[in-house]
Amino acid sequence: SQQGEEDPQALSIQEGENATMNCSYKTSINNLQWYRQNSGRGLVHLILIRSNEREKHSGRLRVTLDTSKKSSSLLITASRAADTASYFCATIRDGGSQGNLIFGKGTKLSVKP
Amino acid sequence: KAGVTQTPRYLIKTRGQQVTLSCSPISGHRSVSWYQQTPGQGLQFLFEYFSETQRNKGNFPGRFSGRQFSNSRSEMNVSTLELGDSALYLCASSSLTSGTDTQYFGPGTRLTVL
Repeated sequence: SQQGEEDPQALSIQEGENATMNCSYKTSINNLQWYRQNSGRGLVHLILIRSNEREKHSGRLRVTLDTSKKSSSLLITASRAADTASYFCATIRDGGSQGNLIFGKGTKLSVKP
Repeated sequence: KAGVTQTPRYLIKTRGQQVTLSCSPISGHRSVSWYQQTPGQGLQFLFEYFSETQRNKGNFPGRFSGRQFSNSRSEMNVSTLELGDSALYLCASSSLTSGTDTQYFGPGTRLTVL
């Protein structure tokens, strides 16, 4: 069963704008990760935030985690056409195995040039 | 380092047949996980292997099976294929040396069942 639920399901923006995607999950987690997938291809790991962290940055990416609300957000600043992809959050249950990721349904981001 | 490789990349089978998919992890990675991705169900965990042992199994019928070899390469098998097995099958590897290891995904095998 799906652990995370992303919203929005789809997002369309212009190049240069910021894109924000949200993820909610159900159980206690060890960490939360965000992945990108380009059109039916493999997943690329973007960023991992541990359960004891509140915010993390990586280049144009900013992730926040609120464990009290069981939610996370991914912000992509100054988006580019190349950011067009589906974005998934994934969690590992507290005490769960690193190799057993539970994915949300994803947000499909379209960045128009 | 070479990335995770999956073979074949595309496969077309008919109902009732069986299929074997292969995954070669990144050199040095001993953990391999498999996921199924469909438009309806999204990404779902199938199995996790570490050092030739299945550590976890997702909620899939017994028609789905897998194994891992001593060189960490892994195969998954689906017997008696059904139309609903059409999906992108993704393999991921990690080193599992710390509590925050990243999983590296392969490009996937696109299976179509006719």
